[in-house]
Amino acid sequence: DTEVTQTPKHLVMGMTNKKSLKCEQHMGHRAMYWYKQKAKKPPELMFVYSYEKLSINESVPSRFSPECPNSSLLNLHLHALQPEDSALYLCASSRLAGASGELFFGEGSRLTVL
Amino acid sequence: GDSVTQMEGPVTLSEEAFLTINCTYTATGYPSLFWYVQYPGEGLQLLLKATKADDKGSNKGFEATYRKETTSFHLEKGSVQVSDSAVYFCALTSNSGYSTLTFGKGTMLLVSP
Repeated sequence: DTEVTQTPKHLVMGMTNKKSLKCEQHMGHRAMYWYKQKAKKPPELMFVYSYEKLSINESVPSRFSPECPNSSLLNLHLHALQPEDSALYLCASSRLAGASGELFFGEGSRLTVL
Repeated sequence: GDSVTQMEGPVTLSEEAFLTINCTYTATGYPSLFWYVQYPGEGLQLLLKATKADDKGSNKGFEATYRKETTSFHLEKGSVQVSDSAVYFCALTSNSGYSTLTFGKGTMLLVSP
């Protein structure tokens, strides 16, 4: 199994809603990532988890709250978002934390904030 | 800090044409280099990689060679297909830290029949 699975694929929410994005991998990878991608732009790193601990937060606003319940799961909790937060949110994983390596990406969750 | 520069797009080609997408990088030490591809409406997929100087990565007819002397990792394919139409991202990871990727801005490739 070499997949990173993200749900939902599409999400529409109002600025007062609370929702969550989910990501799952069963490759035994110990590092997991959240990226944000706006149209016609490269992905931007948001968070990195290493061995289920948050190791990098790229100054992301607190309305985005990551959670890593176990080594296979990564969530992104969303609350009080703004329309400019509309984007494709990509989850990724890599085999080793603390070393260079290739990232495996999910297909993304496309978020629209009204 | 690390950075990746790739040619502006879109690159528009006819089927069976030769493709080159230029990529140069700035990094300390010996980064690993990658090409990722993003098809319309999808996430990113690793296309090929090279982890040390003079390595050649190849996959699906695409090739790129890690040139440390010119700090380049140009993507080439001898004969493109319509199905190759996508956005191509050159990227690197440093040799320390948590495999965080530094991406170029991406180059859109459009192949017409």
